[in-house]
Amino acid sequence: GAVVSQHPSRVICKSGTSVKIECRSLDFQATTMFWYRQFPKQSLMLMATSNEGSKATYEQGVEKDKFLINHASLTLSTLTVTSAHPEDSSFYICSAMGQSGEQYFGPGTRLTVT
Amino acid sequence: AQRVTQPEKLLSVFKGAPVELKCNYSYSGSPELFWYVQYSRQRLQLLLRHISRESIKGFTADLNKGETSFHLKKPFAQEEDSAMYYCALRGSTLGRLYFGRGTQLTVWP
Repeated sequence: GAVVSQHPSRVICKSGTSVKIECRSLDFQATTMFWYRQFPKQSLMLMATSNEGSKATYEQGVEKDKFLINHASLTLSTLTVTSAHPEDSSFYICSAMGQSGEQYFGPGTRLTVT
Repeated sequence: AQRVTQPEKLLSVFKGAPVELKCNYSYSGSPELFWYVQYSRQRLQLLLRHISRESIKGFTADLNKGETSFHLKKPFAQEEDSAMYYCALRGSTLGRLYFGRGTQLTVWP
């Protein structure tokens, strides 16, 4: 089946620094990828929709200048958390959409900002 | 506006007992409904979708448009069914998913 990877799986950074998270579709091309944030024992909150070759579409309340998304190729989307603060600590999950419309989810990235 | 409601945050049953995870939705149109499952320390994965009308791991879900529900059912729960279950909908094939808050199912031995 289709596989989506994320790197890194977990990262710890200091407040004020930036962190980049990669999302890759390993065996299929994805024109659309999604970035979610998940709080402990809670649902997934869609942050933005990433389309290859165009600007990402952000959900209401998500700061586009803080959460930079780049979808440079059909197999790679990146999320950069700029000037991270402790409140940005969370579990970030990406998904990639296959041709049939099914979404395949990555394993997630645990971000801890100290 | 679209909304997915999972009224139970936690659900516990004993092994062999029937289980039903509730999901209600609101959407002005004909949405696609899904159930996703997240086992401990694993990624989210698709369990079933209403258009497939299939049974996966003994689970079934029927879309009831009159009651706007898509409850997930299994007649005999197993310990390995313990997981977080999310109901989700989308309005179009290439559209975004809207998730419910999830139900943590625990099946006791």
